[in-house]
Amino acid sequence: EVQLLESGGGLVQPGGSLRLSCAASGFTFSNYAMSWVRQAPGKGLEWVSGISGSGGSTSYADSATGRFTISRDNSKSTLYLQMNSLRAEDTAVFYCSKGVHSYGYSQFDYWGQGTLVTVSS
Amino acid sequence: EIVMTQSPATLSVSPGERATLSCRASQSVSSNLAWYQQKPGQAPRLVIYGASTRASGIPARFSGSGSGTEFTLTISSLQSEDFAVYYCQQYNNWPPITFGQGTRLEIK
Repeated sequence: EVQLLESGGGLVQPGGSLRLSCAASGFTFSNYAMSWVRQAPGKGLEWVSGISGSGGSTSYADSATGRFTISRDNSKSTLYLQMNSLRAEDTAVFYCSKGVHSYGYSQFDYWGQGTLVTVSS
Repeated sequence: EIVMTQSPATLSVSPGERATLSCRASQSVSSNLAWYQQKPGQAPRLVIYGASTRASGIPARFSGSGSGTEFTLTISSLQSEDFAVYYCQQYNNWPPITFGQGTRLEIK
């Protein structure tokens, strides 16, 4: 059974940093691209960043470029999102999501339950 | 960036009736279009991919159609568990992957 378990969310002050993790199980992690998708309270879904199965290729939304860094440790089957210079508008539930190819982007066939990031003083 | 526009924002339908949700892309996304269902407090769930292929475990009352810029999700006979928010997503041109703003399907 595929499972994605996010952690690392919490309350952080504007300008602060946070590192999210997503522990994956039930599939060969290195074979699939992964993404982070966020959802602000009461709002829709926004793709934030993605990474290829090997980790050699990464992409970011404009809102994340220069502030967020996606990475993965295939030996630990874990996806990360390092978030710096956080702003109030980054407040959201962050979901880890699994693609269906090792490279490029596709539909997301599995999602974690999400971790809430709140940016507030 | 490809902009995805969903309509209507809210759709009120009675159980047992048919629901038709629309999604339009600002430029062609071929058939690289997915639909997700999201219930309150839950993660999104993949319903349709490739514009018309049902995801694993999705009942046959869900169907998707369209290609290029116009897409439709149809639920043939609404069950109580189908009332939720539905999002379309394109994965043809990236980055970024983009989602529509969602259609809330509510009980009439």
